[in-house]
Amino acid sequence: DTGVSQNPRHKITKRGQNVTFRCDPISEHNRLYWYRQTLGQGPEFLTYFQNEAQLEKSRLLSDRFSAERPKGSFSTLEIQRTEQGDSAMYLCASSLAEALDIQYFGAGTRLSVL
Amino acid sequence: GQQVMQIPQYQHVQEGEDFTTYCNSSTTLSNIQWYKQRPGGHPVFLIQLVKSGEVKKQKRLTFQFGEAKKNSSLHITATQTTDVGTYFCAVNAGNNRKLIWGLGTSLAVNP
Repeated sequence: DTGVSQNPRHKITKRGQNVTFRCDPISEHNRLYWYRQTLGQGPEFLTYFQNEAQLEKSRLLSDRFSAERPKGSFSTLEIQRTEQGDSAMYLCASSLAEALDIQYFGAGTRLSVL
Repeated sequence: GQQVMQIPQYQHVQEGEDFTTYCNSSTTLSNIQWYKQRPGGHPVFLIQLVKSGEVKKQKRLTFQFGEAKKNSSLHITATQTTDVGTYFCAVNAGNNRKLIWGLGTSLAVNP
């Protein structure tokens, strides 16, 4: 499968715990995006990378959220001290900046914070 | 900053009726993309428009980019239940900037 892969697909955690999600983009794509989506809403931008550089991070994102893309390939999104309000679907997308940024999404990681 | 408005937010139609969603920007766009998200799924790329006044068709779907490159529409002729989902526009103001997403139009189709 050469699409965008996200792991895990589902994560249930207790409030206060840390969680980490992984995204493997399409191999030749240089951009990688993280979004959050709740029921009935559109994708909410969190952050994006071009190669290994984190180019932008949403101002709405608290300091509990951090993302890395150390080698310009896969990326991880960590949420520290999770809160119930963090419950959402976390979507990853990758794109080729030179191809007008058409984004290909993974199936997402659904986080439930109890 | 760049903003994009998408209307309507919801649309409920009878199968066989037409459907249109509109995307409007306050600034001139470099290009616009349309995505579809089925219930429980993830956004899937449909099409990209780049040229002023461009019109593209995919079977029953017609996509249009305004002459001023500030608005776009997606029109579905004779809706089917398989068209159910949320349709998003995403715009790019150019200069290698990231996409800005509309809030989407959710389409429900009564069989």
